[in-house]
Amino acid sequence: QKEVEQDPGPLSVPEGAIVSLNCTYSNSAFQYFMWYRQYSRKGPELLMYTYSSGNKEDGRFTAQVDKSSKYISLFIRDSQPSDSATYLCAASVVNRDDKIIFGKGTRLHILP
Amino acid sequence: DVKVTQSSRYLVKRTGEKVFLECVQDMDHENMFWYRQDPGLGLRLIYFSYDVKMKEKGDIPEGYSVSREKKERFSLILESASTNQTSMYLCASSLNIEWTSGRARDNEQFFGPGTRLTVL
Repeated sequence: QKEVEQDPGPLSVPEGAIVSLNCTYSNSAFQYFMWYRQYSRKGPELLMYTYSSGNKEDGRFTAQVDKSSKYISLFIRDSQPSDSATYLCAASVVNRDDKIIFGKGTRLHILP
Repeated sequence: DVKVTQSSRYLVKRTGEKVFLECVQDMDHENMFWYRQDPGLGLRLIYFSYDVKMKEKGDIPEGYSVSREKKERFSLILESASTNQTSMYLCASSLNIEWTSGRARDNEQFFGPGTRLTVL
């Protein structure tokens, strides 16, 4: 079992809809949880991060972590065509080994 | 702004050729990483490095080697390219978290634009 599991999609939603992207993870030691966004033909860029459980909001984006169920979510409100990209969830443990474990990514299409 | 650059955006090589992929970062990051990204398989870590002349195997090191002679430069080498190494190769860098406050932002990996390698 991969440490971070993510449905690859693709997910197509109409403009203005609320988007929900989800991942599950298996390693209880993960403390930091991240969402990277990758546009076509570009490298991934960090979109949001959270520490331990809870919510974090940034504009139209909300990241949520539920450590009890090992569930990571990203919500996008009022989705725009410019949000069309691949979204990768990721997790890491804070120690000398600074590796980040990535999910496979979900391809999202926002339809105008 | 952190900048991670990769030597080529697109590369076409023949089976058996030796291939060098270069990555340079300009933010004095200690850590550097090489990934490959394939449809349905996501990002897979090939090798990483915590410091100059140091290297660690990732999840799929077979068929690859790396070199880190200078802090800002991390090279990926395909000793004898094969068709199953056709992929998108992504380089990333990050700060050494021991030297930071431990905030997740400081563990952020900054990615280059990628090199699309085709091996014929």
